[in-house]
Amino acid sequence: GEQVEQLPSILRVQEGSSASINCSYEDSASNYFPWYKQEPGENPKLIIDIRSNMERKQIQELIVLLDKKAKRFSLHITDTQPGDSAMYFCAASLTGANTGKLTFGHGTILRVHP
Amino acid sequence: GPKVLQIPSHQIIDMGQMVTLNCDPVSNHLYFYWYKQILGQQMEFLVNFYNGKVMEKSKLFKDQFSVERPDGSYFTLKIQPTALEDSAVYFCASSLGGLGGGTQYFGPGTRLLVL
Repeated sequence: GEQVEQLPSILRVQEGSSASINCSYEDSASNYFPWYKQEPGENPKLIIDIRSNMERKQIQELIVLLDKKAKRFSLHITDTQPGDSAMYFCAASLTGANTGKLTFGHGTILRVHP
Repeated sequence: GPKVLQIPSHQIIDMGQMVTLNCDPVSNHLYFYWYKQILGQQMEFLVNFYNGKVMEKSKLFKDQFSVERPDGSYFTLKIQPTALEDSAVYFCASSLGGLGGGTQYFGPGTRLLVL
């Protein structure tokens, strides 16, 4: 089945700088890549997603890039704020199974220091 | 945004007992999912459900697990009997479409502790 690798596991940045999280996947049939933000004790919340017909998508300070050839995708948070501190998960959807199952990466703990 | 509700928020039970986790998905959604998250780790897919049937299940979805959504009410995950390793947070999710692109909205989770 699909496997998603996510790095780094922990990321510490200064407020105002950029943060980047990288993911790779194995199944070239995957065509949907969401990113979820999860705060302690809370449910995962979708923050941005990208489909395989796109290479780049931006929503305010969030940018996602998708390289289908390399089977990699990444999240970039520009101008980070302390409120961006949380766990971030990338995921890939296994379209071949036609069920929408999400396979998640192991997560990245982002800490934004004032 | 769309909200998925889960009841109860916490459940503590003795090993061997049965537990039912309830999910109230987004009203017009058609696909329903259960994921399991152990503390500090990622969500792992258990099962998904569409049109009254299980579409796919993972190896984590043991024989002791079952799901149903009788008459469009709660989408439930039943574990009978429970084991110590079932302790985790169980997230329900729902989506409008399932063809590898339906945005999945997650509920707040049920924290299950098996003693």
